[in-house]
Amino acid sequence: SQKIEQNSEALNIQEGKTATLTCNYTNYSPAYLQWYRQDPGRGPVFLLLIRENEKEKRKERLKVTFDTTLKQSLFHITASQPADSATYLCALSSGGYQKVTFGTGTKLQVIP
Amino acid sequence: DADVTQTPRNRITKTGKRIMLECSQTKGHDRMYWYRQDPGLGLRLIYYSFDVKDINKGEISDGYSVSRQAQAKFSLSLESAIPNQTALYFCATSGRAETQYFGPGTRLLVL
Repeated sequence: SQKIEQNSEALNIQEGKTATLTCNYTNYSPAYLQWYRQDPGRGPVFLLLIRENEKEKRKERLKVTFDTTLKQSLFHITASQPADSATYLCALSSGGYQKVTFGTGTKLQVIP
Repeated sequence: DADVTQTPRNRITKTGKRIMLECSQTKGHDRMYWYRQDPGLGLRLIYYSFDVKDINKGEISDGYSVSRQAQAKFSLSLESAIPNQTALYFCATSGRAETQYFGPGTRLLVL
């Protein structure tokens, strides 16, 4: 069955450092992959989308890579700030009229 | 005003009661979704609708039903609530692009 794995353990990093979160998947051939941010008790908010034919995508301090051979995406936040503390979800879809499947998320804590 | 609204935001009900959660969107999207979120289990898809005449079961549809009253409205019903349906429920929409826009969530407690 399709499986998306994100590190369930919280990631704690020092302010100013680069945070790197991992999303691995199996039994899946996604057409695209998305990253969302979720704050406690609130709905997820879209951050970035990367397609299968793209290796890297950037938006301000955020960078996403997508390796379809390794079946892995890395999500980087450079110059991290305490306001970046949240849970980050990756989501995959085969595109078209296929539903999106979400990972369980990784909680990031940026320590001042 | 929020693009995706959910009512109620919080609800406490008793086992066996019928309840309805409502979702409205002003984004003009055709696609709407209902998810539940439980600690450690992430977001799980209950039902989804790609247009007004299209309703599809997600991975955990048992015990739930939905109604797509209009392009902008998608409601979720629990015909006979049970305690393991206690969770945080989210409605989401998407257009032709794949990005999903989520509502603020409904926190449901079934006693």
